[in-house]
Amino acid sequence: NAGVTQTPKFQVLKTGQSMTLQCAQDMNHEYMSWYRQDPGMGLRLIHYSVGAGITDQGEVPNGYNVSRSTTEDFPLRLLSAAPSQTSVYFCASSLQGAETDTQYFGPGTRLTVL
Amino acid sequence: LAKTTQPISMDSYEGQEVNITCSHNNIATNDYITWYQQFPSQGPRFIIQGYKTKVTNEVASLFIPADRKSSTLSLPRVSLSDTAVYYCLVGSNDYKLSFGAGTTVTVRA
Repeated sequence: NAGVTQTPKFQVLKTGQSMTLQCAQDMNHEYMSWYRQDPGMGLRLIHYSVGAGITDQGEVPNGYNVSRSTTEDFPLRLLSAAPSQTSVYFCASSLQGAETDTQYFGPGTRLTVL
Repeated sequence: LAKTTQPISMDSYEGQEVNITCSHNNIATNDYITWYQQFPSQGPRFIIQGYKTKVTNEVASLFIPADRKSSTLSLPRVSLSDTAVYYCLVGSNDYKLSFGAGTTVTVRA
């Protein structure tokens, strides 16, 4: 199993540009989520999904959109990039999102917005 | 969702035991305690989870007193490769896990 994969690894955007961060998992997990991590800080939840066709907002959803058309994929869209969105983005998945389920994280995407 | 408090940083030397205590005074009856480890430039990874008393695996031990208002992650005989940030998570709020700032453990030779 590849686990959780994310592309790209690095990305530089200009203010106002849009882009999609890709996330895929091959563990047949129902629950997927996106976090952002700013320097020296913990992870903050952006959006999550408990299954295909179902998404919900996390702690910091503004400026981001998600969709879940398949169990495997959970892309994160930046609608109009801003310097405040410069961060490292992690995608995670778990069996069903229960607190006793192990969360598996991807390697991250380092995004810089100029 | 239980609020957790853990030290910002800890220093240690190779071969020593490292104990990180997490306070969670308002833990709910059905909450579990979970620890994750994050190496630089990587995503977090699960270390250990427990509900009460003691849990041990090949990586760490987790000690939980009877009142469950705190927990201690114990890393035996650390090496340089154990340098990482360690997060204590307690419970979840409708599928939302909360990662605080974590404890940065630095192991020196």
